[in-house]
Amino acid sequence: GAGVSQTPSNKVTEKGKYVELRCDPISGHTALYWYRQSLGQGPEFLIYFQGTGAADDSGLPNDRFFAVRPEGSVSTLKIQRTERGDSAVYLCASSLTGNLGYNEQFFGPGTRLTVL
Amino acid sequence: QQQVKQSPQSLIVQKGGISIINCAYENTAFDYFPWYQQFPGKGPALLIAIRPDVSEKKEGRFTISFNKSAKQFSLHIMDSQPGDSATYFCAASRLSGYSTLTFGKGTMLLVSP
Repeated sequence: GAGVSQTPSNKVTEKGKYVELRCDPISGHTALYWYRQSLGQGPEFLIYFQGTGAADDSGLPNDRFFAVRPEGSVSTLKIQRTERGDSAVYLCASSLTGNLGYNEQFFGPGTRLTVL
Repeated sequence: QQQVKQSPQSLIVQKGGISIINCAYENTAFDYFPWYQQFPGKGPALLIAIRPDVSEKKEGRFTISFNKSAKQFSLHIMDSQPGDSATYFCAASRLSGYSTLTFGKGTMLLVSP
């Protein structure tokens, strides 16, 4: 079956602009995660959804970052007033469920965001 | 505060050699330790994982060694192949509750032909 997909694959924007990054998880996966991977670093947790609700948003760096998952499937990460420091690869992952022991997280290819 | 420390940052191994990557963690609440492999332009993919109730897990050419008292674990790649050239990340998580991953900074492995 299809894996996790993310669009766009690349996004170039100017400082101060608003961007939206989309994630389509594996069908049937109730848990969805967003991570940010800066150059030369490991992925860092941003936010976790169980179904439609954000169960943990402790990794969001500030209030310019927001994510939604209105129907419990597709998720959108929204970044307002982008800054050059937001440049990174944004990874989405999904798992069958987040609550019953460990379920493997499957990662998408990421969206490379460049803020000029 | 970096909860998972990984070394080396980069590694060059000859084909057929053994690649060894080390990680150390601080949070004793972690009880699940996966390794991920990432190729350029791709997302990380689970390679192998271990729980702290065992000291070693082997899958094909890949082995995780785990030392609970030292809070350290390592990945050994036997008979390394050029196709193993990738970035490897160790990670840690908790089995209870939800399972966000805390990653190390990664090791870029190059296996020379």
